[in-house]
Amino acid sequence: EADIYQTPRYLVIGTGKKITLECSQTMGHDKMYWYQQDPGMELHLIHYSYGVNSTEKGDLSSESTVSRIRTEHFPLTLESARPSHTSQYLCASSEGGGETYEQYFGPGTRLTVT
Amino acid sequence: GQNIDQPTEMTATEGAIVQINCTYQTSGFNGLFWYQQHAGEAPTFLSYNVLDGLEEKGRFSSFLSRSKGYSYLLLKELQMKDSASYLCAVMDSNYQLIWGAGTKLIIKP
Repeated sequence: EADIYQTPRYLVIGTGKKITLECSQTMGHDKMYWYQQDPGMELHLIHYSYGVNSTEKGDLSSESTVSRIRTEHFPLTLESARPSHTSQYLCASSEGGGETYEQYFGPGTRLTVT
Repeated sequence: GQNIDQPTEMTATEGAIVQINCTYQTSGFNGLFWYQQHAGEAPTFLSYNVLDGLEEKGRFSSFLSRSKGYSYLLLKELQMKDSASYLCAVMDSNYQLIWGAGTKLIIKP
């Protein structure tokens, strides 16, 4: 059973606000990821991390930042929310090679920016 | 560029068999994944293929041909709960997953 959590599950916020989406996993996985997914569309990688103090930008990283101070915690921050940020945000983690390349996903945060 | 193609939507009948195809063009190849995603939920892992051939897991099987850049997911004895989107994803040379847009599978009684 994968243990990866995201809060909040749903968020409606006004334009210009700063928001942080939380993601935590209790599996001790080194690798963590943030994806953005619009309905019926593919997942787009926003940021990823291969361990503590390691963060990298994905294809869709503009206007957001992440931090990885602890293995289990990988928060995503939008400095100034815009309506174009309205989407589903999925956090995932994985252990490493072979079969363990499998990524475990959290339940997601559905963000609406008005 | 990198590209994953799969049909947008498929319809099948409860109890039948359905095959969902995926073709890919990526920078390098370190395996192909299939995930299931129910509406409004997170993706869950179904299968991983890195060598050519068929991998069977209960009612689900996944096939890979690296030379053809092709995979399929075979679902047998379809149940109503199999109604979901099925996502094909390829791990590229940088060990990043490139995702297809998913195939929405509709199961009819």
